[in-house]
Amino acid sequence: DAEITQSPRHKITETGRQVTLACHQTWNHNNMFWYRQDLGHGLRLIHYSYGVHDTNKGEVSDGYSVSRSNTEDLPLTLESAASSQTSVYFCASSELRGTSGNTIYFGEGSWLTVV
Amino acid sequence: AQKVTQAQTEISVVEKEDVTLDCVYETRDTTYYLFWYKQPPSGELVFLIRRNSFDEQNEISGRYSWNFQKSTSSFNFTITASQVVDSAVYFCALSERFGSQGNLIFGKGTKLSVKP
Repeated sequence: DAEITQSPRHKITETGRQVTLACHQTWNHNNMFWYRQDLGHGLRLIHYSYGVHDTNKGEVSDGYSVSRSNTEDLPLTLESAASSQTSVYFCASSELRGTSGNTIYFGEGSWLTVV
Repeated sequence: AQKVTQAQTEISVVEKEDVTLDCVYETRDTTYYLFWYKQPPSGELVFLIRRNSFDEQNEISGRYSWNFQKSTSSFNFTITASQVVDSAVYFCALSERFGSQGNLIFGKGTKLSVKP
């Protein structure tokens, strides 16, 4: 079955370190997204991509970057981790480029703690 | 601006009770899509339903039903005869045709606890 997987599922890192969260989907979806989930805020969009070499900033992009070198993967990098970036991170994907209404499917989440 | 409001932060019911989760949205687009997702204690986000703005028919899927009313900008979710396995956080979300580029705008979620 096609799926979307995230790794690592849990990570503890130190302030100032660079961290990369991996996201891999096997649906061949064009659109991929990264969200973070925090108490009191729900899910907020960090970055998104509509295809290879396309990346866009979301609502809370400061301190994060993404790159899209192939259809399957959208790694999320925290350039210099901060305690405010302790959160649960969800990767997601959907089918059609820039088209609203497509169902967005989520990975299982990555729990990141910055100490 | 687009916004999704889930006014109920937490709801607690006893098994077999019916429960309705409220969702109110704001958008300027005439074409938009509404979603509900379930997040059980294990943490994953499970897609439940998608509705587009042109289809106001209510939908029923087993014990789940959804009531979409454009006149009140609401998309409420009812669980009939609730079960312990329904305990989860439920998110309502909006996707606009032009405003959000296909991304989802989430409400803050309603935590449902179903007690035996």
